[in-house]
Amino acid sequence: KNQVEQSPQSLIILEGKNCTLQCNYTVSPFSNLRWYKQDTGRGPVSLTIMTFSENTKSNGRYTATLDADTKQSSLHITASQLSDSASYICVVSVGWSAGNNRKLIWGLGTSLAVNP
Amino acid sequence: DSGVTQTPKHLITATGQRVTLRCSPRSGDLSVYWYQQSLDQGLQFLIQYYNGEERAKGNILERFSAQQFPDLHSELNLSSLELGDSALYFCASSVTLTGGDTQYFGPGTRLTVL
Repeated sequence: KNQVEQSPQSLIILEGKNCTLQCNYTVSPFSNLRWYKQDTGRGPVSLTIMTFSENTKSNGRYTATLDADTKQSSLHITASQLSDSASYICVVSVGWSAGNNRKLIWGLGTSLAVNP
Repeated sequence: DSGVTQTPKHLITATGQRVTLRCSPRSGDLSVYWYQQSLDQGLQFLIQYYNGEERAKGNILERFSAQQFPDLHSELNLSSLELGDSALYFCASSVTLTGGDTQYFGPGTRLTVL
């Protein structure tokens, strides 16, 4: 069964600190993995996308890693800011790259609160 | 701003009623997706349209239906509303047919059923 699990479910950190969010997936065949940021009450926004051959990808203070062997991904946030308070969702694309039958499997997200 | 627009922003109605949510995709995007997000829950994929045709179905109730028009805007119709239908409804769009591409989300419609 295709599944995406995220941990922790929620996290509270102080402004300026770093944190790491985890995503474990069991999907086949794997196409790519995305991290989305969703502010409360707003639509998700894509942060990074990683394919099978990529280990690390950065977007400003956000760095995503992918270990295709262990089927794990992490999102590291450095020097957190109050505006980082949001839900971070891991989304895995399942299906062959050349086909049109890929679909997205959404994780439930990690709720991050950055306190002053 | 993602370029995806949704109307209305808020909707309050009573049980048993019928409502229509509207979505305009980004310019050039042919795929439209609808999602439901209940309070403190994850996104639930409802349905996808590509260039006017239904392409994929998720956990969409029979009371719900959608369509995509020739100008590519889409409408989600919710009927016989129940209290449990209260949620945020998001529309997203992408360029291609495949559901594996980056999707761009609209601001959502918050539906409250009283």
